[in-house]
Amino acid sequence: GENVEQHPSTLSVQEGDSAVIKCTYSDSASNYFPWYKQELGKRPQLIIDIRSNVGEKKDQRIAVTLNKTAKHFSLHITETQPEDSAVYFCAATNAGKSTFGDGTTLTVKP
Amino acid sequence: GAVVSQHPSWVICKSGTSVKIECRSLDFQATTMFWYRQFPKQSLMLMATSNEGSKATYEQGVEKDKFLINHASLTLSTLTVTSAHPEDSSFYICSALNRERESTDTQYFGPGTRLTVL
Repeated sequence: GENVEQHPSTLSVQEGDSAVIKCTYSDSASNYFPWYKQELGKRPQLIIDIRSNVGEKKDQRIAVTLNKTAKHFSLHITETQPEDSAVYFCAATNAGKSTFGDGTTLTVKP
Repeated sequence: GAVVSQHPSWVICKSGTSVKIECRSLDFQATTMFWYRQFPKQSLMLMATSNEGSKATYEQGVEKDKFLINHASLTLSTLTVTSAHPEDSSFYICSALNRERESTDTQYFGPGTRLTVL
């Protein structure tokens, strides 16, 4: 089955700095890679996603890159704000079924 | 659009009792729904894939007789935790695929159900 590794497990940045979270996956059949933000006690919220036929996607302060050959993808958040503080999960998806990384707790210090 | 609800949002039950959790797609038909379990400070672990009109597919290590899943309609899937024990206490989240609007694998998550077994 699919195995997704996510790093780092915790990340602390100063407001305004950039944050990068990286994930690797094992199943070359995975073709859809969403990123979720989850606040304590709430549902995961999709923040950006990328398909295997695209190398990069950007949405305002958030971007995702995908290296299909190396089987890794990354989340980039620029100009971080305190409200970006949350747990972020990556996922690798094949035929609708997602395998999640272990999560990264991002703390943005004012 | 693509709203998923769950009920109840939280439940406390005694050990040995059964608890039913409902997952509904409010504005679309979901032929496929997923059930996840999330322990504190951990990731989402897929328990099973629920397909409308057929038996659920359970992940390795998940007891199908303990976690009963029924997907009787295109907008409703239920998860019943039978003979619940304290170790079943967790955050249970469902998600649904909306293939009506887009041919993607985007999952729409319910708000989750906090189960506490005393």
